[in-house]
Amino acid sequence: KAGVTQTPRYLIKTRGQQVTLSCSPISGHRSVSWYQQTPGQGLQFLFEYFSETQRNKGNFPGRFSGRQFSNSRSEMNVSTLELGDSALYLCASSQQGSEKLFFGSGTQLSVL
Amino acid sequence: AQSVSQHNHHVILSEAASLELGCNYSYGGTVNLFWYVQYPGQHLQLLLKYFSGDPLVKGIKGFEAEFIKSKFSFNLRKPSVQWSDTAEYFCAVYNNNDMRFGAGTRLTVKP
Repeated sequence: KAGVTQTPRYLIKTRGQQVTLSCSPISGHRSVSWYQQTPGQGLQFLFEYFSETQRNKGNFPGRFSGRQFSNSRSEMNVSTLELGDSALYLCASSQQGSEKLFFGSGTQLSVL
Repeated sequence: AQSVSQHNHHVILSEAASLELGCNYSYGGTVNLFWYVQYPGQHLQLLLKYFSGDPLVKGIKGFEAEFIKSKFSFNLRKPSVQWSDTAEYFCAVYNNNDMRFGAGTRLTVKP
């Protein structure tokens, strides 16, 4: 069974640009959640999707948005990038959201 | 929203020393509790979890954690650490479709 796949692996953008990150969950998993990981801040919850619906959202500005498709694949978009958005963005999937999460390798975003 | 606090940012131990990493959460209702580990260069992976029943749960690689409801705590322990336990450890709390992680504790084990 393939694991959680995130693309791209690395991304370099400049301030003001926008970016879209992609996540393909494990087959059969309907829940996809996104986290921002930075040194010292740990994992900060962005949002969680289940069956194409956003079930929960963390404390991030509206520049951060996401969506989930009917095949459970998810995308995350960040508009008007700021230097502070530089981080590792992790996607995790699970069957229902409450049990064991399976994480992808993440997308390392650098904003210059 | 619930929050998760991990008391130690960086812990340095020698091999064979005992380990205890603190985790406290703010939510007072029924929660599911987890510890995840991220070894250098690897994905985050589940170490152990507590849903209900015996508050002392055992995970992989000799780790265990004790849920103390009255203290809102879920501390991670290992009697004797090894160099290969060097990693970052994250406590997480799940409630009502909301999974929150602590800031993480970096463990360095000196050989």
